Amino acid sequence: SQTIHQWPATLVQPVGSPLSLECTVEGTSNPNLYWYRQAAGRGLQLLFYSVGIGQISSEVPQNLSASRPQDRQFILSSKKLLLSDSGFYLCAWRTVFSEAFFGQGTRLTVV
Amino acid sequence: QKEVEQNSGPLSVPEGAIASLNCTYSDRGSQSFFWYRQYSGKSPELIMSIYSNGDKEDGRFTAQLNKASQYVSLLIRDSQPSDSATYLCAVNMGDTDKLIFGTGTRLQVFP
Repeated sequence: SQTIHQWPATLVQPVGSPLSLECTVEGTSNPNLYWYRQAAGRGLQLLFYSVGIGQISSEVPQNLSASRPQDRQFILSSKKLLLSDSGFYLCAWRTVFSEAFFGQGTRLTVV
Repeated sequence: QKEVEQNSGPLSVPEGAIASLNCTYSDRGSQSFFWYRQYSGKSPELIMSIYSNGDKEDGRFTAQLNKASQYVSLLIRDSQPSDSATYLCAVNMGDTDKLIFGTGTRLQVFP
């Protein structure tokens, strides 16, 4: 069966510090991978998605970036965090046009 | 116009009643539609997917799709207090790989 791992679960970072969140999927090949952010009390905002290694589509560039160095690995990064980057970050995988399955999420607080 | 729209609620229903949740979407070419449930502080969990016009039933849940009206709904029969959560509608935009979520409807089921 397929599983998705996302870490860390919680993170507190100072303004201006870098960020790296990692997501890996097991049990499937060539999945579509997604990063979403959810601000407190809000919906899921699509940040990036990838249909293959090195292929990244950006929806909300701002100061975030994403990379897919391996088929089942998706990384979200920032060089300098802003207060507005606080939120619940969710990684998800799916096959083409099918339902998405989410990791446990990372709650990021920028202080 | 937002790509996927939902009433934020809260929608309050008594235990045992039918809860009706609605969603509209902007891209007429969309073919894949999903309903998720999200408890506070947790990641979204898939309830149902629907791809064809009409109704699809799974236990106490029924999804309804009307592509001509660009409308998706979720009915929850015999609502239970444990159904209290935020319900998210997700739509695969057209023939792209973008999966867009609505802002969610908060459902409260009171005893």
